[in-house]
Amino acid sequence: DADVTQTPRNRITKTGKRIMLECSQTKGHDRMYWYRQDPGLGLRLIYYSFDVKDINKGEISDGYSVSRQAQAKFSLSLESAIPNQTALYFCATSDRGLPENTGELFFGEGSRLTVL
Amino acid sequence: AQSVTQLGSHVSVSEGALVLLRCNYSSSVPPYLFWYVQYPNQGLQLLLKYTSAATLVKGINGFEAEFKKSETSFHLTKPSAHMSDAAEYFCAVTNSGGYQKVTFGTGTKLQVIP
Repeated sequence: DADVTQTPRNRITKTGKRIMLECSQTKGHDRMYWYRQDPGLGLRLIYYSFDVKDINKGEISDGYSVSRQAQAKFSLSLESAIPNQTALYFCATSDRGLPENTGELFFGEGSRLTVL
Repeated sequence: AQSVTQLGSHVSVSEGALVLLRCNYSSSVPPYLFWYVQYPNQGLQLLLKYTSAATLVKGINGFEAEFKKSETSFHLTKPSAHMSDAAEYFCAVTNSGGYQKVTFGTGTKLQVIP
């Protein structure tokens, strides 16, 4: 089984619908992230969380919200989806790390979202 | 502020030829540098990382990269390309400290021609 699991893997929805992408991890990491991948743009950070009580906006958080339900679960919501949110979304985790925290990320397999 | 520039969004090599994927970074503090690979329909996985130890870093699948501070570069190489190396490769930078914000390059798609 994957260490970082994303559901759903594929989703087609319509403009204005609410969508939730879920991420769960068994790595025991405290840090979780949501990234968006678009062709030619690489990966851009949407939100990140260092622990259950810590949620931070990334570089492209507008139109998105997140919930950290537990150390192992981090959900991304699109309250009212629009076509330019069509993208591949990745959840990632990292360890606090001792003695050195290098920031290495561990990724899920991605959730492909299409907004019509 | 930190940034990553990957030269060439698409690179084609013949099977058995040298692979060279270029990455230049900008960072105001000593960086940690990464190469990730993304195979079709999969997430990203770590190829190798530089964390201020040896400047020549060896990774999985025969890849290596050399950190050159004077050139602010971290180019990825492999002596002999294999068909299975066809994928998208991302260079990423972060830095030491309490929080590492990871900045990714825009990616390079590697095509291996038989």
